Amino acid sequence: DGGITQSPKYLFRKEGQNVTLSCEQNLNHDAMYWYRQDPGQGLRLIYYSQIVNDFQKGDIAEGYSVSREKKESFPLTVTSAQKNPTAFYLCASTRGHLPPANYGYTFGSGTRLTVV
Amino acid sequence: GQQVMQIPQYQHVQEGEDFTTYCNSSTTLSNIQWYKQRPGGHPVFLIQLVKSGEVKKQKRLTFQFGEAKKNSSLHITATQTTDVGTYFCAGLARNTGNQFYFGTGTSLTVIP
Repeated sequence: DGGITQSPKYLFRKEGQNVTLSCEQNLNHDAMYWYRQDPGQGLRLIYYSQIVNDFQKGDIAEGYSVSREKKESFPLTVTSAQKNPTAFYLCASTRGHLPPANYGYTFGSGTRLTVV
Repeated sequence: GQQVMQIPQYQHVQEGEDFTTYCNSSTTLSNIQWYKQRPGGHPVFLIQLVKSGEVKKQKRLTFQFGEAKKNSSLHITATQTTDVGTYFCAGLARNTGNQFYFGTGTSLTVIP
């Protein structure tokens, strides 16, 4: 079955470390997104990419970096510059530049990052 | 910037009671989508509304888009324990390109 795979499910990071969250999709979707979810704040967009080798900052890109070397993959690096990285991170994808009317964004199962 | 607010943030209901969550935008929206996230899970798409005043139904769920396209609601009739989760709206504003802005979500607890 096609879908989005995020790994790991849980991740623990020491302060000052960079960590990379994996996101892979086999849906042949063009666009991929990274969202951060905190209690009471909904989903906030970190970065998105509409084509390979191109990506755009979202509303909260500071302290994060991404790459899009392959259509299927959109890894997110949480750098030591991110002051409050503990959160639930969700990767999503869409076929075109906008989520289609009949099935919206397709989300992965998420990675829960905790700073220890 | 674009803001999409939802109320209430939390709602506890007895099984069988109705539930409504409201989504309000500071700007006019082109489209609005609704998602459900089960506890420990990820958001799953429910529906999209496009037209002013549009009403769509999915079994016990009724979705409405306001006449001014600045607000939307999701109403669940006779809640069941399977309705537990957080419901998010996501709005696309006319002047913000291709970015949907997610609401803050309403967490629904259904008491058996």
